[in-house]
Amino acid sequence: DGGITQSPKYLFRKEGQNVTLSCEQNLNHDAMYWYRQDPGQGLRLIYYSQIVNDFQKGDIAEGYSVSREKKESFPLTVTSAQKNPTAFYLCASSALAGGGQYFGAGTRLSVL
Amino acid sequence: GQQVMQIPQYQHVQEGEDFTTYCNSSTTLSNIQWYKQRPGGHPVFLIQLVKSGEVKKQKRLTFQFGEAKKNSSLHITATQTTDVGTYFCAGPGSSGDKLTFGTGTRLAVRP
Repeated sequence: DGGITQSPKYLFRKEGQNVTLSCEQNLNHDAMYWYRQDPGQGLRLIYYSQIVNDFQKGDIAEGYSVSREKKESFPLTVTSAQKNPTAFYLCASSALAGGGQYFGAGTRLSVL
Repeated sequence: GQQVMQIPQYQHVQEGEDFTTYCNSSTTLSNIQWYKQRPGGHPVFLIQLVKSGEVKKQKRLTFQFGEAKKNSSLHITATQTTDVGTYFCAGPGSSGDKLTFGTGTRLAVRP
């Protein structure tokens, strides 16, 4: 069963805490992306990666970090520097950069 | 930077009525993609258009790419309650390595 798996589905962060969102894909896609979606809003790009061990900042990278050590995995860390982290986080992948993207089910992050 | 706008922002229709959303880019696009996001769900890729003036159909959905490759439309014929959701268009930036998503059109359908 191919696809993108995000975990956890819900996550709560305490003030000053870093949290890591998992994203795994078995589609053999080279490109992976992280988006943030606020209620009733569109998708804003946080980070993206076209190849292992390389990634680029998107439009709203401040307060976030990523790694791409394996083709299948692209975890996102929401650091304590991100002062307004409450949002719906979506991971996506595509076979080619700029091609059709396939999304995971998302992680809803809230602040305690 | 590249901007992709959609109109309308929101539309409420009676079941059986038609619906159209329009997408306009500030720059020429190599392709345009459409996605649907159900309430509480994640975006799902619907289709990609590449050629100038291209028209593609998926059952009751008709997608069109403008001649100048800067605009696109999605038309739904005889809406059903299953069509409820937000429809996003998206196009690659000038470097082609990422997508810029449109502002989205939220569709509500009265049964």
